[in-house]
Amino acid sequence: IAGITQAPTSQILAAGRRMTLRCTQDMRHNAMYWYRQDLGLGLRLIHYSNTAGTTGKGEVPDGYSVSRANTDDFPLTLASAVPSQTSVYFCASSEEGLVGAKQFFGPGTRLTVL
Amino acid sequence: GIQVEQSPPDLILQEGANSTLRCNFSDSVNNLQWFHQNPWGQLINLFYIPSGTKQNGRLSATTVATERYSLLYISSSQTTDSGVYFCAVEETGANNLFFGTGTRLTVIP
Repeated sequence: IAGITQAPTSQILAAGRRMTLRCTQDMRHNAMYWYRQDLGLGLRLIHYSNTAGTTGKGEVPDGYSVSRANTDDFPLTLASAVPSQTSVYFCASSEEGLVGAKQFFGPGTRLTVL
Repeated sequence: GIQVEQSPPDLILQEGANSTLRCNFSDSVNNLQWFHQNPWGQLINLFYIPSGTKQNGRLSATTVATERYSLLYISSSQTTDSGVYFCAVEETGANNLFFGTGTRLTVIP
């Protein structure tokens, strides 16, 4: 059982380019989440999905979009990347469809926007 | 949004020592979680503890929701305990999980 996988592991991207970060879980969890982690700021919630077919905005949603076509996958898209989106991105999931439920994290994607 | 403050920001321990990490939050919460981020960046859920006390091996946690704080106890620390410890809270009425800025723990042999 892999748990949560993220791809790519790291990426350097030119400003203005479109980028999709992938996240897949095999635990059949209802809810999935995307966070960004910046030095000195901890983790901040970008978007979440309580169940397949639904999504919601977190604390810092601007510049990002998500979709949840099925239970396992929750891609995060940067339509036109900017340098302030340089960060480490973590995907997480929880069995229950609540933001506050016990969460399990993927290994992260380190994104650099130049 | 809710403010989540962790203390101390940094802590250096000799192997075998005990420590207490604190998490204060500014408003009522539905639940609270503690996470450990190891030096390789992996985040592990330690406790899901909206109230009361839980123990898992050398680690235990206590949340006193009415007084808006939680404590994480690490006993007989080991070098593998090094990393950053985060608490995260779900503010009542807000569909969001807010993280503190963490306590960086270094355990030296």
